[in-house]
Amino acid sequence: SYELTQPPSVSVSPGQTASISCSGDNLDNKYACWYQQKPGQSPVLVIYQDNKRPSGIPERFSGSNSGNTATLTISGTQATDEGDYYCQTWDTVIPVVFGGGTKLTVL
Amino acid sequence: DVQLLESGGGLVQSGASLRLSCVVSGFSFSTYPMSWVRQVPGKGLEWVSGISGSGSRTYYADSVKGRFTISRDNSKNTLYLQMNSLRVEDTATYYCAKDGNDYTNPNWFDSWGQGTLVTVSS
Repeated sequence: SYELTQPPSVSVSPGQTASISCSGDNLDNKYACWYQQKPGQSPVLVIYQDNKRPSGIPERFSGSNSGNTATLTISGTQATDEGDYYCQTWDTVIPVVFGGGTKLTVL
Repeated sequence: DVQLLESGGGLVQSGASLRLSCVVSGFSFSTYPMSWVRQVPGKGLEWVSGISGSGSRTYYADSVKGRFTISRDNSKNTLYLQMNSLRVEDTATYYCAKDGNDYTNPNWFDSWGQGTLVTVSS
């Protein structure tokens, strides 16, 4: 079965750039997307199709996908960006897989 | 505004059945695939099942295949998840999620409900 691997935690200082990785075999042959989940809330889509932002998502959120790794980048990280982040991919075989999640802490 | 409202969760014993519902509004329901995603308290997200917009194609995670059945009633804007032979490890919050694309198979999820908690006791 297909697996996506994320680091359990990432820390960043306010105003700095946070990068969260998501690894899977030949991941760049598929699309990746990212969700943010804050405590007690439902997930929110922040990136889809590797690098597209849904309406309402700040420009500081960006994504990329190359080789075996997709990356979510948050530029000028704010305290409000703290939460859990999940990557996800899909295809006609899998069909949907989530990464294990990364807890982002803004110190 | 897109809205998804789940219901039907509760406390049941191992081996029991439960049916979850998700009533939606704010978009053309029959156009989009829908999915159920669950989350064990304090743990990560796990996709459970998906269904095409017409309801003709269904998809399941191996962990629930043969026990859970996804369906939809497009005339009622409602998604369902029939859960049979429930196990303690099925305990989780269950979210319904709208697909962000109008393809047949699940892609990404651009709207989520608030979730309904299912607790299975031994």
